Amino acid sequence: DGGITQSPKYLFRKEGQNVTLSCEQNLNHDAMYWYRQDPGQGLRLIYYSQIVNDFQKGDIAEGYSVSREKKESFPLTVTSAQKNPTAFYLCASSSTDNTEAFFGQGTRLTVV
Amino acid sequence: KQEVTQIPAALSVPEGENLVLNCSFTDSAIYNLQWFRQDPGKGLTSLLLIQSSQREQTSGRLNASLDKSSGRSTLYIAASQPGDSATYLCAVTPRNQFYFGTGTSLTVIP
Repeated sequence: DGGITQSPKYLFRKEGQNVTLSCEQNLNHDAMYWYRQDPGQGLRLIYYSQIVNDFQKGDIAEGYSVSREKKESFPLTVTSAQKNPTAFYLCASSSTDNTEAFFGQGTRLTVV
Repeated sequence: KQEVTQIPAALSVPEGENLVLNCSFTDSAIYNLQWFRQDPGKGLTSLLLIQSSQREQTSGRLNASLDKSSGRSTLYIAASQPGDSATYLCAVTPRNQFYFGTGTSLTVIP
């Protein structure tokens, strides 16, 4: 059953800690994306990757890092430098020509 | 930079009514436009994809149109049902990423 899997669904982080959100896809898509969703602000792009071992910053990359060592995986690390990390994080993938995008079910990160 | 606007921000209709959601974008140089549905606390589910060479797409009770020259798309929902209650988002793809509107929150009252 093809799709995108994000884990965990809920994540709690203490201030000063780094946390890593997982995103795995079995759709054989080259492009993968990370978005942040806050109430009333819509989705904002954090990072995207068009190919393995390459990625680009989006609009709000500060305080985040990513890696793309495998086509199927695009993990996002929320570092302690991110001042307001509490949000809903969504991972997506699409084919290289940016046709239809598919999303995971999201990870809700809360700083405690 | 591409700006995507969705109007109205919220909409409440009685069951059975037909309705139209609007999406406008500032840069007409897009490859595709996609409509999504999002239920509370969930990810986005793709509803319809309109490629730049197309004018509309239909799936069941849903019909989406695209007018690139005017920078507009509409999502028409026929015979609305309570199960249609959700937030609907549109996204355009100029190049290498997707730009999203802030969504329309739809409530269908039984």
